[in-house]
Order: sequence, then structure tokens, then C-alpha cells
Amino acid sequence: GQQVMQIPQYQHVQEGEDFTTYCNSSTTLSNIQWYKQRPGGHPVFLIQLVKSGEVKKQKRLTFQFGEAKKNSSLHITATQTTDVGTYFCAGPRGGGSYIPTFGRGTSLIVHP
Amino acid sequence: EAGVAQSPRYKIIEKRQSVAFWCNPISGHATLYWYQQILGQGPKLLIQFQNNGVVDDSQLPKDRFSAERLKGVDSTLKIQPAKLEDSAVYLCASSKVSGSENIQYFGAGTRLSVL
Repeated sequence: GQQVMQIPQYQHVQEGEDFTTYCNSSTTLSNIQWYKQRPGGHPVFLIQLVKSGEVKKQKRLTFQFGEAKKNSSLHITATQTTDVGTYFCAGPRGGGSYIPTFGRGTSLIVHP
Repeated sequence: EAGVAQSPRYKIIEKRQSVAFWCNPISGHATLYWYQQILGQGPKLLIQFQNNGVVDDSQLPKDRFSAERLKGVDSTLKIQPAKLEDSAVYLCASSKVSGSENIQYFGAGTRLSVL
């Protein structure tokens, strides 16, 4: 079945530095979703990308969907301690199913 | 709008014991999911319901796991008997599927420790 791979698994940054996590799929995705999970918390939906080459922004967060719809990235500008958590991408399982299959996530640690 | 409710929040049991988790989805959400999240990994789907019917249970270990959603609202997930490797957070999510707009809303989860 469809799998999405995320890198890196962990990222340590100093507060104020930028952060990027990447999500890759071996097959074309109809859409991709991003979720954030705070330590001890549950995944919270951030955004969904549908169109080839789509770019969406939410304040300091920029989400991109690749032209081939096989990869995506999340970029955070000037990280803050509130950005700490694990960021997951999720792509549909495939075969007509809309059930998202989650990557392993990238854990962001922000040092003040 | 109330979110997805789950109980209990924590459960500690010994191996070979039984355990049950409860979930109440967001009102009006026809689709309900149970996920297992092992520490350091992403959520893994166990079962998906559409109203009170099972849509996908291909990754549910049916020899020990069972789930039901009898009236199309609340759902329970049961493990009988539990194994050490079942230690994980069990997340319930619901969605109002609209075409490809399958945004999932998660509950706080139940953290299970099997000793």
C-alpha cells in the first residue's frame, strides 16, 4: 500500500532559526495533509494540499506540494518554543480510499 | 462544538488481561477511526467505520482486537487478551468525509501500558 516517508526524524534548532521537514511518496498523491502533535497531545489538522505545485501559508508556516504530487514540505520561519512537537504528513492510502496513511513524523525541538 | 471524547485517558493492565476503550465522535461525523500509535511512530489505522458499518479493518489483529459501533455514534475498541506489544496510545478520530476533504479530528487518546 501507499507509504509516505518523512525526513528528518528529529530536528534540533535554536529559537529563531528556520525549520523544514520533507515528505516523499513513491506514488502520485491525490492530496496531502499535515498534522501537528504536541508532546503528550493528539494530532491536530493543519492543512490539506490538493493541486500540483500548490503553496499555502499560515503565518510563519509554508506548505508546498510538489509539481509531480509525490512530495511535500513544511517550512517554519523563525521558530518559536510554541512550535515544538511532531509534524506528520499523511497521504491517501490509494486505490480510491481517502484514508490518510501517516508518515513517521519529524519531531521538532526548539532550544530557547 | 465539542471534540472527540475518549475514555479512559490511561490504563495499566497485565498481559493476558482484557481492556476496552470508548469513543464518542463529533456530532454529525459519520466516519469514525481507531488508530494505534506506538511511541516514536505515526498513527496506524486499525479500523474505520462509516455509520455503523466497517469500511476497513485490514490492519486490525482480529485474533485479539475487536471494535463495534452499534448505533452509528459511540464506538468501543477491545483487546482480549492483551500482549506486551499492545502498549501504545489508542486514538479515536472522526471525520465528515466530503469527497477528498477527509480531515480527521482526533480525541486525546487512551495510553495503554501492558505489564
